[in-house]
Amino acid sequence: AQTVTQSQPEMSVQEAETVTLSCTYDTSENNYYLFWYKQPPSRQMILVIRQEAYKQQNATENRFSVNFQKAAKSFSLKISDSQLGDTAMYFCAFSYSGTYKYIFGTGTRLKVLA
Amino acid sequence: DAGVTQSPTHLIKTRGQHVTLRCSPISGHKSVSWYQQVLGQGPQFIFQYYEKEERGRGNFPDRFSARQFPNYSSELNVNALLLGDSALYLCASSITGASNQPQHFGDGTRLSIL
Repeated sequence: AQTVTQSQPEMSVQEAETVTLSCTYDTSENNYYLFWYKQPPSRQMILVIRQEAYKQQNATENRFSVNFQKAAKSFSLKISDSQLGDTAMYFCAFSYSGTYKYIFGTGTRLKVLA
Repeated sequence: DAGVTQSPTHLIKTRGQHVTLRCSPISGHKSVSWYQQVLGQGPQFIFQYYEKEERGRGNFPDRFSARQFPNYSSELNVNALLLGDSALYLCASSITGASNQPQHFGDGTRLSIL
């Protein structure tokens, strides 16, 4: 069975600093996809970044980047120059070829402090 | 373009009642997925529909059912409500629902069971 683990229930970071959220997953699949979603207090889940397992290069989207370690089954999210608007729940999610569902972790609540 | 829209926003029911939740996908998206998010947890997959056909089902009892209409909108029905059904119900749409496609989420319906 596929599982996603986020071991940090809560984190805080000072504005303009850098923070890294961790995610590990367990799978025997080779062809899969990883996602980070952000859920602000307003509730709507927003895609932050995605990574295809077959790509060695780590994905980057502006201030957001990932450290994808396939052998270690690790997929961490780095937020640079943190902003107050980054305050949210962050969910790591996994999907694999042939399935139609996402498997989510339990989330990390990130608070950016002024 | 409008995003994924869900109705109602909030709903209060009592045990034993049934409920219908509605979702309209992003224009051009033919796949709709439903997730249940219990407080403090990540979303759990309930169903995915594509072209009006059920393509995937999570580990939920038969009290949960869904359907998709010709205009790709969808309904989630829950019968014989239990206290444990209290949760945020999220709808997500994507073009075809394939595992490599980002899913776009609505704001959710907050269901409270008394």
